[in-house]
Amino acid sequence: GIQVEQSPPDLILQEGANSTLRCNFSDSVNNLQWFHQNPWGQLINLFYIPSGTKQNGRLSATTVATERYSLLYISSSQTTDSGVYFCAVLRGAGNKLTFGGGTRVLVKP
Amino acid sequence: GAVVSQHPSRVICKSGTSVKIECRSLDFQATTMFWYRQFPKQSLMLMATSNEGSKATYEQGVEKDKFLINHASLTLSTLTVTSAHPEDSSFYICSATAPGGARGYTFGSGTRLTVV
Repeated sequence: GIQVEQSPPDLILQEGANSTLRCNFSDSVNNLQWFHQNPWGQLINLFYIPSGTKQNGRLSATTVATERYSLLYISSSQTTDSGVYFCAVLRGAGNKLTFGGGTRVLVKP
Repeated sequence: GAVVSQHPSRVICKSGTSVKIECRSLDFQATTMFWYRQFPKQSLMLMATSNEGSKATYEQGVEKDKFLINHASLTLSTLTVTSAHPEDSSFYICSATAPGGARGYTFGSGTRLTVV
């Protein structure tokens, strides 16, 4: 099956800092999503981005499908950005999402 | 739009008992829902695909007799953990995608199961 790798596994930021999270996948995909899992476990859909660039406030994402990676940018980080960020991909005719291992982010005040 | 509701959010049960978790799509019909399990500090692992009106499809290594899935309507799927044991303690999350799937998958808020 498809492999999804995220880096870095852990990230500690000072409030106000910028950061980039990476998601590499081993094969072509039909769908790629970025999620934020908050401390209570809720998965929040950040971006549906099989290709191209999208921005939503302080967050933006870019997927380069031909090179099999996606980047999530967090600018001017806030303590509420803490949590785990997952990318997940959908490949071929199937409908099962495959998740990466996640990046655990801690933003310190 | 595309809201998925999951209940209960937290449950504690005794070993040997069964626990039912509900997953509802509130503002759309979902012919397919998905059930995931997440251990502490780990990623989500797909357990099974719930299909409305037919049997669920289980991932390799998931015991279908322990994790019973029923998808009786277009807005409700249930996961029943039967004869629960402490090793079944985990975070269970459901998801669904709205018709067309163009906006991706939406997840419920999860159920933290503790078996004592």
